[in-house]
Amino acid sequence: DTGVSQDPRHKITKRGQNVTFRCDPISEHNRLYWYRQTLGQGPEFLTYFQNEAQLEKSRLLSDRFSAERPKGSFSTLEIQRTEQGDSAMYLCASSQGFSRWGNEQFFGPGTRLTVL
Amino acid sequence: AQKVTQAQTEISVVEKEDVTLDCVYETRDTTYYLFWYKQPPSGELVFLIRRNSFDEQNEISGRYSWNFQKSTSSFNFTITASQVVDSAVYFCALSEDSNYQLIWGAGTKLIIKP
Repeated sequence: DTGVSQDPRHKITKRGQNVTFRCDPISEHNRLYWYRQTLGQGPEFLTYFQNEAQLEKSRLLSDRFSAERPKGSFSTLEIQRTEQGDSAMYLCASSQGFSRWGNEQFFGPGTRLTVL
Repeated sequence: AQKVTQAQTEISVVEKEDVTLDCVYETRDTTYYLFWYKQPPSGELVFLIRRNSFDEQNEISGRYSWNFQKSTSSFNFTITASQVVDSAVYFCALSEDSNYQLIWGAGTKLIIKP
């Protein structure tokens, strides 16, 4: 399987708990993106990495959100002290940077988070 | 500022009808890329097409066609002879050469009735 994978696909947690999601990008892709999508809306950009460097994180929704990509391969997105408003689909995408064809991103299936 | 507008929130047609989804964009960059993605009920976003700002040639892929017009800042998507399997939410997105982000429209929900 050469697509983007995400784990878990579904997560139900209680308010105040911490959650961590994992994304494995397409192997030759050096850019990795995290988005959040709520019902009826388009994806909302959160952060992105080029290799292991996090080049944009100002869009992370609060300081409860953090992301890492320690070896430039898989990435994790952590939400601390979850709130009910964090309930959403969290999407990961990857792309091949430095491409003359623009920033074509390939998406994983998403992790659906429900905060009770 | 960059922006993508999909004015049609929901479209419902009967199978075999043709349908056009509108996308209007705003950007100050001269180099940019436009995309269409499909999000079926299963939820996974599927890449359909990319267009760069220097190529206004329209494209056809089977029943799908795209009309890119820089003069009106539009990148419309037409499905010919629609099928029930085309039912999904379709997103138009913009990426500028100076910015790695994809700027998304709000999406158009397409319902194809049998």
